[in-house]
Amino acid sequence: SAVISQKPSRDICQRGTSLTIQCQVDSQVTMMFWYRQQPGQSLTLIATANQGSEATYESGFVIDKFPISRPNLTFSTLTVSNMSPEDSSIYLCSVEAGDTQYFGPGTRLTVL
Amino acid sequence: AQSVTQPDIHITVSEGASLELRCNYSYGATPYLFWYVQSPGQGLQLLLKYFSGDTLVQGIKGFEAEFKRSQSSFNLRKPSVHWSDAAEYFCAVGPSNDYKLSFGAGTTVTVRA
Repeated sequence: SAVISQKPSRDICQRGTSLTIQCQVDSQVTMMFWYRQQPGQSLTLIATANQGSEATYESGFVIDKFPISRPNLTFSTLTVSNMSPEDSSIYLCSVEAGDTQYFGPGTRLTVL
Repeated sequence: AQSVTQPDIHITVSEGASLELRCNYSYGATPYLFWYVQSPGQGLQLLLKYFSGDTLVQGIKGFEAEFKRSQSSFNLRKPSVHWSDAAEYFCAVGPSNDYKLSFGAGTTVTVRA
């Protein structure tokens, strides 16, 4: 298994600003993922972040809006850029370990 | 493309009663299947998973799920629910090679006394 922490746990931001979310894992992992959970909805994969390579984005998500860093095997960041109220969501980091994905507690973002 | 359908948006069950949550998937090969639970304000916790082998899998908190290939289903069951089981439950499917999961819309479970 893997224990994942995220910072911040929640934030309220003004439109047009950017927020960087941090994800820390207690063990080295190859594959990390970022998901978005919009209010009352299910999870949608934003991108896959493997250490040493560029993040791979899913359809509908672009690097300019959601830049991702993966500097080492235990850490990743997701930035939500030029935010609008539609970006209000829970953002979750997950990692693959033992053929299973484990999730962090999420970052609840509200954009005013 | 892979997809998951959870037909029940909301289920209310009495404490001590049995619970079954439905999950149907669409995937071209043998899928990896998961059930996660999300309690209010919490992240997702893995309940159980199926990769291969015995089609009845046991998970944590007294949950089990049965993989039925002929019906493309992976329904979650619990014989006797507790008030603490009130949460949102997500079924997910993914391939073995890249671990990208597709989630169902979720089923909210309410437990009444």
